[in-house]
Amino acid sequence: AQSVTQLDSHVSVSEGTPVLLRCNYSSSYSPSLFWYVQHPNKGLQLLLKYTSAATLVKGINGFEAEFKKSETSFHLTKPSAHMSDAAEYFCAAHLGGSQGNLIFGKGTKLSVKP
Amino acid sequence: GAVVSQHPSWVICKSGTSVKIECRSLDFQATTMFWYRQFPKQSLMLMATSNEGSKATYEQGVEKDKFLINHASLTLSTLTVTSAHPEDSSFYICSARQGGEKLFFGSGTQLSVL
Repeated sequence: AQSVTQLDSHVSVSEGTPVLLRCNYSSSYSPSLFWYVQHPNKGLQLLLKYTSAATLVKGINGFEAEFKKSETSFHLTKPSAHMSDAAEYFCAAHLGGSQGNLIFGKGTKLSVKP
Repeated sequence: GAVVSQHPSWVICKSGTSVKIECRSLDFQATTMFWYRQFPKQSLMLMATSNEGSKATYEQGVEKDKFLINHASLTLSTLTVTSAHPEDSSFYICSARQGGEKLFFGSGTQLSVL
């Protein structure tokens, strides 16, 4: 079955330290992959997307993600966390097929400590 | 965990007809619901934010008279695509916020307008 798995429901880091949010997918097709961020009281905002071009994708606010086909992963990273990065992050995948549905992971809440 | 039910999951309609999509929070009260639209292999586009008992807030470029949103109760929001045309064919997905923090997604609706 096609699925998107975010392995951590909650990640806590200190300000200035690296961020790693994990995402794995399961699909028979070549996926398009997305990371979204949701800040409190706001809708989703696209951070970055992978659509079969460069495997290392750079997004907004210093985030980047690397598509690793052999590991079926698309982990989100940032070298140095900022307090404003505290939010919920969703990994999503367009896993192909006739209908083209977008499938979301359950989300990872990122907390940033001073 | 919290569940958001979205119906129908798939609909085909003739050009000029209207289609209603329902988004229900099954085990929590959703004070805010979001409606998104996604084109194949593209990111989500936020269409509108729906608050219970008040008019929806539409994003720039989204036609209010075309995409009617009603959020009459804390567990139900509807999106009606009026006088649908082939260019309205897309994947529509809703999300609902629980208690001001966590966001939960419906499974989406694939709309095809002939």
